[in-house]
Amino acid sequence: GQQVMQIPQYQHVQEGEDFTTYCNSSTTLSNIQWYKQRPGGHPVFLIQLVKSGEVKKQKRLTFQFGEAKKNSSLHITATQTTDVGTYFCAGAGGTSYGKLTFGQGTILTVHP
Amino acid sequence: KAGVTQTPRYLIKTRGQQVTLSCSPISGHRSVSWYQQTPGQGLQFLFEYFSETQRNKGNFPGRFSGRQFSNSRSEMNVSTLELGDSALYLCASSFSQGVFLAFFGQGTRLTVV
Repeated sequence: GQQVMQIPQYQHVQEGEDFTTYCNSSTTLSNIQWYKQRPGGHPVFLIQLVKSGEVKKQKRLTFQFGEAKKNSSLHITATQTTDVGTYFCAGAGGTSYGKLTFGQGTILTVHP
Repeated sequence: KAGVTQTPRYLIKTRGQQVTLSCSPISGHRSVSWYQQTPGQGLQFLFEYFSETQRNKGNFPGRFSGRQFSNSRSEMNVSTLELGDSALYLCASSFSQGVFLAFFGQGTRLTVV
């Protein structure tokens, strides 16, 4: 079945440093979504990418979808302590409409 | 618009018991899906319902079941609980058409002792 790998598993940064997490799918995706989960919270939808090569920005966050629609990345510029949490990518694709396959997540710690 | 509502928020059960979790989707959303989140396995898809029909199913044993009502509310049932069923159970709702987007509830934290 479809698998989504996400790296790194953990990332510790100093406040102000940049951060990037990467996702790779074993199959072509129809779209990829990114979620953030704060400690003790639930996943909160950040963004969805649909088109091959798509790049979207949300303030300090930049999301990219690969040309082959099998990989994606999230880049945070100049991290802040409010960025702490786990970032998940989730792929949707094929005939399994309604099913998201999540990556394992990257736990981001930001040291002040 | 109210978000996805899950009840109860916390639950403690004993091995062998059964449990029912409830999820009320965002108004207008007709698709409801369920995920299990554990530290070791991450977020794993359980099943998805649309118009009272199970449309997708993950790789979980038959002890895990669900249903959806005509008002799109959904329930998930786990029978013969095992210690390994301890997890955060998340419900997500979505519009049924177009690109699938999931909006999650706050989850039910189930502890099996």
